[in-house]
Amino acid sequence: EAGVVQSPRYKIIEKKQPVAFWCNPISGHNTLYWYLQNLGQGPELLIRYENEEAVDDSQLPKDRFSAERLKGVDSTLKIQPAELGDSAVYLCASSLRQGDHHNEQFFGPGTRLTVL
Amino acid sequence: AQRVTQPEKLLSVFKGAPVELKCNYSYSGSPELFWYVQYSRQRLQLLLRHISRESIKGFTADLNKGETSFHLKKPFAQEEDSAMYYCALAQTDNQGGKLIFGQGTELSVKP
Repeated sequence: EAGVVQSPRYKIIEKKQPVAFWCNPISGHNTLYWYLQNLGQGPELLIRYENEEAVDDSQLPKDRFSAERLKGVDSTLKIQPAELGDSAVYLCASSLRQGDHHNEQFFGPGTRLTVL
Repeated sequence: AQRVTQPEKLLSVFKGAPVELKCNYSYSGSPELFWYVQYSRQRLQLLLRHISRESIKGFTADLNKGETSFHLKKPFAQEEDSAMYYCALAQTDNQGGKLIFGQGTELSVKP
């Protein structure tokens, strides 16, 4: 089992360019999370999916960020246009929700974004 | 507001010394607390959760609701314990297990 897969691992772009991150969760996990981790900080939730539905996107800056999980499996997070302040690590995590019980979240390796 | 505070950014101890990583939380509901660890060049992973009441790699953590704390302790630190440690709180009140993380504490265990 490869665990949560993310690509690319590193991305360097110039400001105002678009960028996309991809995440494939652990097989069978119905809940998928995107977190933002700034340098020296803990992860902060951007968006949470249960199957294909975005059930918590209150922290997602919707003017430039978008996400999708069309078939309830893998997910893409996009930024357009990117700003200097978007430089950070973008983490994907997945878990199995069983009724009201949320099991352990498993994290991917992250994508380190640098905006120049 | 829900918040997790880890007051120490860096904690440095010698091998064999006791270690305590502090975590305080603010949450109006019934909290579920976790410790996550990130070793060098590895992904973030769960170390332990308070409801399990278990010891993992010699680490324990007790939830103290009176002091709103969930400190991580180990009686004898090992060099392989050097890592970033994050305390996290799961919001269980219709928030789908959303995790709120502290800023993290880097533990450095010196030989």
